[in-house]
Amino acid sequence: EDQVTQSPEALRLQEGESSSLNCSYTVSGLRGLFWYRQDPGKGPEFLFTLYSAGEEKEKERLKATLTKKESFLHITAPKPEDSATYLCAVSFVTSGSRLTFGEGTQLTVNP
Amino acid sequence: NAGVTQTPKFQVLKTGQSMTLQCAQDMNHNSMYWYRQDPGMGLRLIYYSASEGTTDKGEVPNGYNVSRLNKREFSLRLESAAPSQTSVYFCASSTRFRDEQFFGPGTRLTVL
Repeated sequence: EDQVTQSPEALRLQEGESSSLNCSYTVSGLRGLFWYRQDPGKGPEFLFTLYSAGEEKEKERLKATLTKKESFLHITAPKPEDSATYLCAVSFVTSGSRLTFGEGTQLTVNP
Repeated sequence: NAGVTQTPKFQVLKTGQSMTLQCAQDMNHNSMYWYRQDPGMGLRLIYYSASEGTTDKGEVPNGYNVSRLNKREFSLRLESAAPSQTSVYFCASSTRFRDEQFFGPGTRLTVL
């Protein structure tokens, strides 16, 4: 069964303290890996798509990377406004365009 | 562009009542999806429509029906609501060329 696992479940950082979130998936044919940000009471907001190992995408303080078994979302010098739940999702060759989501990492950045 | 819109934003039902959640997108996307989000369970796919005129079951379809009314609109119907259907429901859409999905703001449903 295709699975997506995110760690840690929750992460507290001080403003400016860089860290990384992890998303691992069962290796059964990756079509694409997606990162989303979700604020409380809102729908997920699309951030990045990664298609192949070695690929990297950047947006402001966020950088997403992909290997054959996992993806990292690196947060450099975070600010309180980066506090949110970050979701990882994967589309597998066996499931077409359907996405399988991880349970998310709840990030809190304290000033 | 409004993107993906959902109505209503909030709804309270009694057990056994029925209702339809509405979703529309103005991005000319071919595929549309319905998810539910529960604490500790993540986002789970209920039904999806790869293109106008087609619908398929997702991971948790029991107790739900869907209608792809046209290319823009995809509705989710609860025929006889149960407390286990208390959740936040999200609609999403995507093009047929790329898999990233774009989400609506959600409907918060409580079944008493």
